[in-house]
Amino acid sequence: KAGVTQTPRYLIKTRGQQVTLSCSPISGHRSVSWYQQTPGQGLQFLFEYFSETQRNKGNFPGRFSGRQFSNSRSEMNVSTLELGDSALYLCASSLGTSGLQQDTQYFGPGTRLTVL
Amino acid sequence: AQKITQTQPGMFVQEKEAVTLDCTYDTSDQSYGLFWYKQPSSGEMIFLIYQGSYDEQNATEGRYSLNFQKARKSANLVISASQLGDSAMYFCAMREVNSGYSTLTFGKGTMLLVSP
Repeated sequence: KAGVTQTPRYLIKTRGQQVTLSCSPISGHRSVSWYQQTPGQGLQFLFEYFSETQRNKGNFPGRFSGRQFSNSRSEMNVSTLELGDSALYLCASSLGTSGLQQDTQYFGPGTRLTVL
Repeated sequence: AQKITQTQPGMFVQEKEAVTLDCTYDTSDQSYGLFWYKQPSSGEMIFLIYQGSYDEQNATEGRYSLNFQKARKSANLVISASQLGDSAMYFCAMREVNSGYSTLTFGKGTMLLVSP
């Protein structure tokens, strides 16, 4: 089974630009979650999508948005980039079954975003 | 209050020795899952081991075992016979099932260095 894939792997943008990151989950997984990882803040949850609906959202400004398509692939968008948005963005997929304790999330390799 | 606490920013161990990485958690849910991930310098988060709150036995996966003490709310990762390739960041994470979400809450991580 293919793992979670993320594109692109590296991005360099300037302040004020916008960026779109893509994530393809493991086949059969319906939940996709996004996390931001920085040296200062660690791993922070951005949002989770399940069956094309945003099911949960972390504490990030509205500049951060996402969506999920019918094939479970997901994109996240960051508008009006700031220097502080420089981070590793990790996508994770899981079955997404609500009552399941072991709903293991499997992560992609991440997209490293640098904002200049 | 922090939901996941990893008190060891860094740990050193010699090759072939065992090492324990600490993790304590805080939740009022009865049903939750605890996960450990490894993050090498490449950035990808690799799932290692899972423990459910209702599991009576400690989880084991090859050289990894989880020392689960529910009353103390601790879920320490034990790596036996350390190898040079074990050098990485290790994260403890929790999923609270009653939330209905797949979201993981992560600790700040422990950097493990294995020396020859």
